[in-house]
Amino acid sequence: DIQMTQTTSSLSASLGDRVTISCRASQDISNYLNWYQQKPDGTVKLLIYYTSRLHSGVPSRFSGSGSGTDYSLTISNLEQEDIATYFCQQGNTLPPWTFGGGTKLEIK
Amino acid sequence: EVKLEESGGGLVQPGGSMKLSCVASGFTFSNYWMNWVRQSPEKGLEWVAEIRLKSNNYATHYAESVKGRFTISRDDSKSSVYLQMNNLRAEDTGIYYCTRCNSYAMDYWGQGTSVTVSS
Repeated sequence: DIQMTQTTSSLSASLGDRVTISCRASQDISNYLNWYQQKPDGTVKLLIYYTSRLHSGVPSRFSGSGSGTDYSLTISNLEQEDIATYFCQQGNTLPPWTFGGGTKLEIK
Repeated sequence: EVKLEESGGGLVQPGGSMKLSCVASGFTFSNYWMNWVRQSPEKGLEWVAEIRLKSNNYATHYAESVKGRFTISRDDSKSSVYLQMNNLRAEDTGIYYCTRCNSYAMDYWGQGTSVTVSS
């Protein structure tokens, strides 16, 4: 199975900051990397799929990049509503779908 | 608007059974793979089971941790997907989410239903 690692479990930033969250796969996942946002109430939403494609309705301040085994999610101009936990997931070798451990973003 | 609504969670004793349901609306249900994903503080987000389309003979796949104990099924006429959970263990405790698959991502999630396995 492909293992997904988010080495930063929590991150603190100020409103208006540019924030980058990283994710590493245990093998090449050919850009099949997705990012999800989980709000404190448990609601989960897809933000980005296939490394850099924005899901419908997602603000343009979210962007994704990467290739091979290393990927990142960037939030430019951090807003209060972005306080959440962010998970990466690989969609290359299925099943199983595998997730990173999550990065919790807090306001400084 | 795409909506997924889970139900059926609750408290169950170890070794017991429980069936979760998820009703979908806002899209043509029969055209999409569906999954169950669970979350616990110990394991984080964990994929549980997947069911594909009628054209795939409703092929199913399971996480090793639930294989032989859980069964995923779907009723396209009711836009619903189910998870029958048998021989439940304490480690099955968590929030269970129903998700829709699209372009190798889970593009919509339900609000989740809580399952607690405890005596």
